Order: sequence, then C-alpha cells, then structure tokens
Amino acid sequence: GAVVSQHPSWVICKSGTSVKIECRSLDFQATTMFWYRQFPKQSLMLMATSNEGSKATYEQGVEKDKFLINHASLTLSTLTVTSAHPEDSSFYICSAKLPEAGRPNTEAFFGQGTRLTVV
Amino acid sequence: QQQVKQSPQSLIVQKGGIPIINCAYENTAFDYFPWYQQFPGKGPALLIAIRPDVSEKKEGRFTISFNKSAKQFSLHIMDSQPGDSATYFCAARENYGQNFVFGPGTRLSVLP
Repeated sequence: GAVVSQHPSWVICKSGTSVKIECRSLDFQATTMFWYRQFPKQSLMLMATSNEGSKATYEQGVEKDKFLINHASLTLSTLTVTSAHPEDSSFYICSAKLPEAGRPNTEAFFGQGTRLTVV
Repeated sequence: QQQVKQSPQSLIVQKGGIPIINCAYENTAFDYFPWYQQFPGKGPALLIAIRPDVSEKKEGRFTISFNKSAKQFSLHIMDSQPGDSATYFCAARENYGQNFVFGPGTRLSVLP
C-alpha cells in the first residue's frame, strides 16, 4: 500500500505552547488529507479535511483557531495545535487519499499517529 | 443515518479460532466498506475492503462477508494468531463522499 508518514511520533510540550505535526504522502500526491483525533480505547474522530491549496473543512465542534491546518503542497499537510492545554493531549492521526484514475473515490492510508502530551 | 455499529466491543479467542466481528449501517448511499487493524500506539492499517457488488471477499486469512439487503458486513479471521491481537475498526463511505465513518472498534485478544 501507499505510505503516509507522520512526524513526530510523540511529543511532549508545555501548556500554552504550540505544536506542529506533519503528514506526508511519500510515494503519491494527495489532494486531500484528513486529520483525526483518537482518545484511549475509542474510535477515530474526524477533525478536519485538508485540501491542497484551499482552506481546510472542519467538523462541527472543532476549533479552527486552535487546530490550524495547512496543506501547502500535494505531499504535505500540517496540523498545528496552538496554545496547547492538557485537554488537548491525545493521539492525532492523519490519512491521505490515494488517487485512482476513473474513480471518484479511493482508499485512504493512515500515518502512524502522533501522541501529544501537554504538561 | 451516518452511524456504523460494530460488535462485539471486545473478543477473546484461542489461537486457531475464528473471531467474527460484525458491523451494520443504515445509510444506503455507503458503497465502500474497509476494515482497519490498529495496534497500540500506531495508526490504523487497511486490512481488507469490499464494495456492495460482491457478497464475499477473501485475502489471506481475512474474509469479509457482505449482506446488502440486511445492511450488514462482517470480518472473519481464519486460524487466528496471537499477532492478530489488535483493535479492529470497520468503516463505510459514500461513493462521492470524502470521509469514512468508523465503527467504535473491537478489541481482539488471541490467546496462545
């Protein structure tokens, strides 16, 4: 399958600081990437859809100013957690859609996730 | 309408057993149904996927059974191994939809 790389794998930051998480599609160009948040023993919760060259589409209840998403190129999307607080501690996962000619919808591959701990 | 229900929440089997995980949906516009395997601290990995035009798909030890009329699909793991111990998520997506809807997950433990 296609490779999606997420960096860092884990990060610890102080409350009030900002943290940037990168999501890269290594062997394909992804016009659309997705950012999820996962709490322990729970399912993935979609935070936002990131489209290359345009503004991200956020799910209801997700603060746009807190979770800044930038998709500046076809292989890179970033999620910045601004002014992080302990309640932002979570597992953040990105995914990217693999383009497939002739199909309106294709498979998505996931990064390995980033464990954010805010102290 | 957008929900995908998944059961059981957790499952314990002996090595060699055949765990079965079931999912159900309501949205008839869903037309793509993948299963993901997730190990602790890792992102989900695509295991196998099916579209509604077939009733069964098999890849290695993993089989998806799909019942379109009942709006249900299930994952069977043949000859399960301790290395299969993980959380399994079913998902669904509309043909022209962008996003997946995930089930709540099933924690599988395969005892040696």
